[in-house]
Amino acid sequence: AQTVTQSQPEMSVQEAETVTLSCTYDTSESDYYLFWYKQPPSRQMILVIRQEAYKQQNATENRFSVNFQKAAKSFSLKISDSQLGDAAMYFCAYRTASSNTGKLIFGQGTTLQVKP
Amino acid sequence: DGGITQSPKYLFRKEGQNVTLSCEQNLNHDAMYWYRQDPGQGLRLIYYSQIVNDFQKGDIAEGYSVSREKKESFPLTVTSAQKNPTAFYLCASWGLGRLGAFGSGTRLTVV
Repeated sequence: AQTVTQSQPEMSVQEAETVTLSCTYDTSESDYYLFWYKQPPSRQMILVIRQEAYKQQNATENRFSVNFQKAAKSFSLKISDSQLGDAAMYFCAYRTASSNTGKLIFGQGTTLQVKP
Repeated sequence: DGGITQSPKYLFRKEGQNVTLSCEQNLNHDAMYWYRQDPGQGLRLIYYSQIVNDFQKGDIAEGYSVSREKKESFPLTVTSAQKNPTAFYLCASWGLGRLGAFGSGTRLTVV
């Protein structure tokens, strides 16, 4: 069975600085997707970034980038130039790419605090 | 516009009552999911469904039931067997491609 682990329950960063959130996963599949979602106090899930396992190049979306290490089953999120609006809970998630069905599995979440 | 709708936003349950949370999507997604979130914690999978008239238990299915009579709808019933139902419940769906959709959630409180 697939699992997703986020080992940092809470992180803090100074505004304008860089922070990295960690995520590891376990799977026997070779084709899958990995995601980082942001959940602000409104509880709405917002997609931050996604990575296809078959792509070696790390995904980047503006200030957000990932370090995808497939062999190590690691998928960390780097937030550059942190802003007050980045404060939220962040979830790492895994989903098989072999079909349009199957489990969507989340990690335990990391609460990010941004200090002015 | 296509999307996924959860209702109600807030729900109050008396001890011993069953309550049903609604989740409807018009995205033509095959897969639908129900998650439970407790304060400061992650999303735990309750049930998921990959096709109509079929569903599988997730990690914390005890005390919950679901149905999938239509592709668009995946209601979750919180039964009286669920001893600690106060939580935030989130519905999600997934179709072809790499993106899913999430509802805005239901906050259930036992009174």
